[in-house]
Amino acid sequence: QVQLQESGPGLVKPSETLSLTCSVSGGSITYYWWSWVRQPPGKGLEWIGYIYYSGSTNYNPSLRSRVTIAVDTSKNQFYLKLNSVTAADTAVYYCVRTLPNGSSDNWGQGTLVTVSS
Amino acid sequence: ESVMTQSALSLPVTPGEPASISCSSSQSLLHSDGYNYLDWYLQKPGQSPQLLIYLSSNRASGVPDRFSGSGSGTDFTLKISRVEADDVGVYYCMQTLQTPYTFGQGTKLEIK
Repeated sequence: QVQLQESGPGLVKPSETLSLTCSVSGGSITYYWWSWVRQPPGKGLEWIGYIYYSGSTNYNPSLRSRVTIAVDTSKNQFYLKLNSVTAADTAVYYCVRTLPNGSSDNWGQGTLVTVSS
Repeated sequence: ESVMTQSALSLPVTPGEPASISCSSSQSLLHSDGYNYLDWYLQKPGQSPQLLIYLSSNRASGVPDRFSGSGSGTDFTLKISRVEADDVGVYYCMQTLQTPYTFGQGTKLEIK
């Protein structure tokens, strides 16, 4: 059973860059899409974007100007960078394995990132 | 962008009774391949979301057959034949026909 684990700073200052890593274990990162989804405290889910193991990406237009998703197949990891963050970016960030039909069948436990000075 | 709407924000249910959660999309989710690109997820309290139903009516691995999904085009339903205490949480629909993938606002199932 594949497992995903997010890691990164839990506190980021406004205007700085949020950086998260998702480590994939129990399976290869190849031949799947890998997504990031976030959830502000007490609110619903928002799809941020995905990357294919080959490196092709697709981002939510609402975040496209600020987001970068990358992958390192040699480390079985993928990454999220969100720049120029504000308090509105405070959320639990989930990394997710995404199937060819778009379904998200494996989720990390999530990591809370708070944007505050 | 497809806007997903779940009409009920809260759904109180008596254990053993059936439950039904509705989701509608602003655009048809029916692909030319014949599938409706609509998933259902359950987020139990304090947990990550888990996939219940994919492509409108297919149960994900390990999901009890008490859960079923139906619908086509713009209107979809998740049904639980007999609600159990462990089913509490927030149920989200999500469309994956086109990016950006979008979620409904969630329906919170509570036990009476």
